[in-house]
Amino acid sequence: GENVEQHPSTLSVQEGDSAVIKCTYSDSASNYFPWYKQELGKRPQLIIDIRSNVGEKKDQRIAVTLNKTAKHFSLHITETQPEDSAVYFCAAGFGTASKLTFGTGTRLQVTL
Amino acid sequence: DAGVIQSPRHEVTEMGQEVTLRCKPISGHNSLFWYRQTMMRGLELLIYFNNNVPIDDSGMPEDRFSAKMPNASFSTLKIQPSEPRDSAVYFCASSLRSGKDEQFFGPGTRLTVL
Repeated sequence: GENVEQHPSTLSVQEGDSAVIKCTYSDSASNYFPWYKQELGKRPQLIIDIRSNVGEKKDQRIAVTLNKTAKHFSLHITETQPEDSAVYFCAAGFGTASKLTFGTGTRLQVTL
Repeated sequence: DAGVIQSPRHEVTEMGQEVTLRCKPISGHNSLFWYRQTMMRGLELLIYFNNNVPIDDSGMPEDRFSAKMPNASFSTLKIQPSEPRDSAVYFCASSLRSGKDEQFFGPGTRLTVL
């Protein structure tokens, strides 16, 4: 089955700096890669996703890049703000409404 | 739309008792997922349904766990008998097929087995 590895497990940045979280996946058939944000005590919520036919996608301060050959994808957050502090999960899936395999999460702390 | 609804939000029970968690997916969604989240194991998919039919239950830890989806608007996850190691947050999520993959998570049920 699919295996998703995520790094780093914790990340501390100063407000205004950029944050990068990286994930690798094992199953070359995976074609859907979402990123979820989970605030303390809350549910995971989708912040951005990318499909394998696209190399990069951007939404305001958030961007995701995908390298199918190397089987890795990354989340980039620019101009970080305290409200970006949360746990971020990457995931990989195949097909429509398919099962997702999640990474182990990255706890991002944005300090003032 | 109220989003995915789960009940109860918190459950404290004693080892050996039966626990039933409930989920109502977003109206019109035809895929439903049950996840378990712990510090040690992260977010694990237990089972998922498409059009009320179980598709993949390979994540169900053992026979003590069972899940049903009798209709498009209701699903249950049952643990019988419960054990302390089952303590976790259990999330239900739903999505709409036909090219839209976003899974919408419910608020979760925090289960504590003493």
